[in-house]
Amino acid sequence: GQNIDQPTEMTATEGAIVQINCTYQTSGFNGLFWYQQHAGEAPTFLSYNVLDGLEEKGRFSSFLSRSKGYSYLLLKELQMKDSASYLCAVMDSNYQLIWGAGTKLIIKP
Amino acid sequence: IAGITQAPTSQILAAGRRMTLRCTQDMRHNAMYWYRQDLGLGLRLIHYSNTAGTTGKGEVPDGYSVSRANTDDFPLTLASAVPSQTSVYFCASSDGGDANSEQFFGPGTRLTVL
Repeated sequence: GQNIDQPTEMTATEGAIVQINCTYQTSGFNGLFWYQQHAGEAPTFLSYNVLDGLEEKGRFSSFLSRSKGYSYLLLKELQMKDSASYLCAVMDSNYQLIWGAGTKLIIKP
Repeated sequence: IAGITQAPTSQILAAGRRMTLRCTQDMRHNAMYWYRQDLGLGLRLIHYSNTAGTTGKGEVPDGYSVSRANTDDFPLTLASAVPSQTSVYFCASSDGGDANSEQFFGPGTRLTVL
């Protein structure tokens, strides 16, 4: 079956760095997405990786290792507004997104 | 309209009733999707449409139907609602042309079936 695993909840301190991991087992691979979802709101796109390596976009970076079925989202210089759930999703061989349950990130002052 | 709109924002529905959730996008995207989001679970695809006039079944299609008469609208119908359909429903759209097409989400509909 298809499976996306990510931690349920993480806590970090304002100004610090946090890494959210995602491992996946899917039928085919056409890229991995990270989305941010604030409580009560819709998910919004953060990043896309299809090749191995690190993609940097401001304070956020995303890494992919296809051979290991592994990705992480790195958030630097954490701000209180970064408190949200972070969703990992893999596009499978049918070009459908398979979603993880999300990681709730709590930022403390 | 800018992006994707959904209606209603929330609804309480008696079991057995019929309900249509509306979704409209103004980005001229080819592909549209309906997901449900439940606590502790990832988003699960109900139905999708790659282009106007075509639809497909996702992971959890039972009890739901969709239509795609034009590019902009993608309504989701619950023919006879059951309590297990209590969830938050998100509509999304994408260009659909490439694997890296990000999906844009509507604000969601919170549905409670009693």
